[in-house]
Amino acid sequence: KAGVTQTPRYLIKTRGQQVTLSCSPISGHRSVSWYQQTPGQGLQFLFEYFSETQRNKGNFPGRFSGRQFSNSRSEMNVSTLELGDSALYLCASSTGQGVYEQYFGPGTRLTVT
Amino acid sequence: SQQGEEDPQALSIQEGENATMNCSYKTSINNLQWYRQNSGRGLVHLILIRSNEREKHSGRLRVTLDTSKKSSSLLITASRAADTASYFCATDDDSSYKLIFGSGTRLLVRP
Repeated sequence: KAGVTQTPRYLIKTRGQQVTLSCSPISGHRSVSWYQQTPGQGLQFLFEYFSETQRNKGNFPGRFSGRQFSNSRSEMNVSTLELGDSALYLCASSTGQGVYEQYFGPGTRLTVT
Repeated sequence: SQQGEEDPQALSIQEGENATMNCSYKTSINNLQWYRQNSGRGLVHLILIRSNEREKHSGRLRVTLDTSKKSSSLLITASRAADTASYFCATDDDSSYKLIFGSGTRLLVRP
């Protein structure tokens, strides 16, 4: 099976702009989770989608949003970018049911200048 | 917020030696997982241990879980230079569908 793919891999944006990141899960996986990783805060959970429904959300401002499509692909959007949004954004997929491990994509490195 | 705290933050050992990393967490869990991350890339799942298990092995990895102490340890035996990476423990909040990661241990295995 192909792994989790994320596009783009690298992105440079300016403060105030918005950005959309994309994630394609492993075939058959219905759950997609998003994480933000920064040197200061570590790995933090953003949100999780299962069958197009957001099941859980982390403690991030409303500028961070996401969605999942019927083919399980997911996008996350960050509006009004701030310097502190510079991070590695990781997407992970899983079956989403029962006890499960998550399979991570390579991440999107976002730099906000 | 991070649930887990890992100890040590950094570890440097010689190839062939064993590496032990510890993780503590705060709330009750269904399972605990360990992941590896190579220099800012995606995470790779290593092993999952359920809350009713005490020990689990996978190749050169041995994980223990003590739910009474809310702690886990990861032992890598006969380490190799390729084991150089950051290692994270992750727990699930038993009422939600998310992983809460520890702060990680940076392991350096010197050839």
